[in-house]
Amino acid sequence: AQSVTQLGSHVSVSEGALVLLRCNYSSSVPPYLFWYVQYPNQGLQLLLKYTSAATLVKGINGFEAEFKKSETSFHLTKPSAHMSDAAEYFCAVSDRVGNQFYFGTGTSLTVIP
Amino acid sequence: DTAVSQTPKYLVTQMGNDKSIKCEQNLGHDTMYWYKQDSKKFLKIMFSYNNKELIINETVPNRFSPKSPDKAHLNLHINSLELGDSAVYFCASSRPTTYEQYFGPGTRLTVT
Repeated sequence: AQSVTQLGSHVSVSEGALVLLRCNYSSSVPPYLFWYVQYPNQGLQLLLKYTSAATLVKGINGFEAEFKKSETSFHLTKPSAHMSDAAEYFCAVSDRVGNQFYFGTGTSLTVIP
Repeated sequence: DTAVSQTPKYLVTQMGNDKSIKCEQNLGHDTMYWYKQDSKKFLKIMFSYNNKELIINETVPNRFSPKSPDKAHLNLHINSLELGDSAVYFCASSRPTTYEQYFGPGTRLTVT
């Protein structure tokens, strides 16, 4: 069975500050891991994905995430927050046959001017 | 050139009615999904279809019935709507090898 846990349902950062959104996963087999962003009143958009290639994954809009097997983590970071980054962020895990896909409970990011 | 589209975007209806939400993807993906997102933004998978065959059917009331006429379409029919069905419903499709999912814009269902 697989699951993801997102620590912190709400995160606030100042504009220009580091963004760190935490995600820990549980999986009996090496999983695929994803981060999605949801802007208000929109669908989810893929930010980045880990599929067992490089452990440091770069995504769109300057975001990146690092897969750490020893810590079962896949935290999302961005060096400098922009106002446009304010949104809901979801971590997700999939098995490798596409039969199980689980989302975390989401983290709402607020960027303070 | 919309990848995953849903209609309608908003749906307001009364308790006891039957309604349908349509989903179409033009990405050539084999697998499609329906998700329910509640007011706290929690996303729960409801159904998954692969090449028109049901592969995931989570614990949802049998008032919800998905129908896939072809692999590009996955519609959701809901019978006897209840207040608790009010939510945003998302359709998604995924690639066959890496399983990243592409989402539609959502349908906000309000049951009064």
